[in-house]
Amino acid sequence: GAGVSQSPSNKVTEKGKDVELRCDPISGHTALYWYRQSLGQGLEFLIYFQGNSAPDKSGLPSDRFSAERTGGSVSTLTIQRTQQEDSAVYLCASNLDSFEAFFGQGTRLTVV
Amino acid sequence: AQSVTQLGSHVSVSEGALVLLRCNYSSSVPPYLFWYVQYPNQGLQLLLKYTSAATLVKGINGFEAEFKKSETSFHLTKPSAHMSDAAEYFCAVSEGGATNKLIFGTGTLLAVQP
Repeated sequence: GAGVSQSPSNKVTEKGKDVELRCDPISGHTALYWYRQSLGQGLEFLIYFQGNSAPDKSGLPSDRFSAERTGGSVSTLTIQRTQQEDSAVYLCASNLDSFEAFFGQGTRLTVV
Repeated sequence: AQSVTQLGSHVSVSEGALVLLRCNYSSSVPPYLFWYVQYPNQGLQLLLKYTSAATLVKGINGFEAEFKKSETSFHLTKPSAHMSDAAEYFCAVSEGGATNKLIFGTGTLLAVQP
């Protein structure tokens, strides 16, 4: 597709369940980011993939969070044993160089 | 490590008034700087970017920002606010290069009063 695609757009899950969020970056973009946007918290950096380099996981809030990027393209963010404080909009972005990052529409996660 | 500080989580201006949204950055190398806008229930859209060329950068919708190294600032301005400018604005910094990582400020919610 022409832009960054995220799925699902909305996800409601029960506390304690695992969830997987998917991001399809723009074709050819070597960098991929995950951010979390909570009310009043701005954009919180989670993880960053750049080409074949080891990902920068410094923003992951706990070991319940993990992400992978297969074949340098699609990425999956996994949250295990979800908690209510995980409720947020999860944003994915990709870019080719140090310039403009293109964002997806996000996945709104609600943990009930 | 780089960081961004946006002063004022909420800014309110009257329609037609000057818009000034503040951003200060911290970076150990010459930074790349960005302003993004997020309209309600939409994704983030790039407004403008500074990438070490001209220090005064013009973006979309009449916005511009000036890179001031001595003040480590990259404030966003627009001479005359429109109602349609009501949105959340995010400043971001990256250090570029092979280990580029985009770090965002906490955002400023702009309200435009009629």
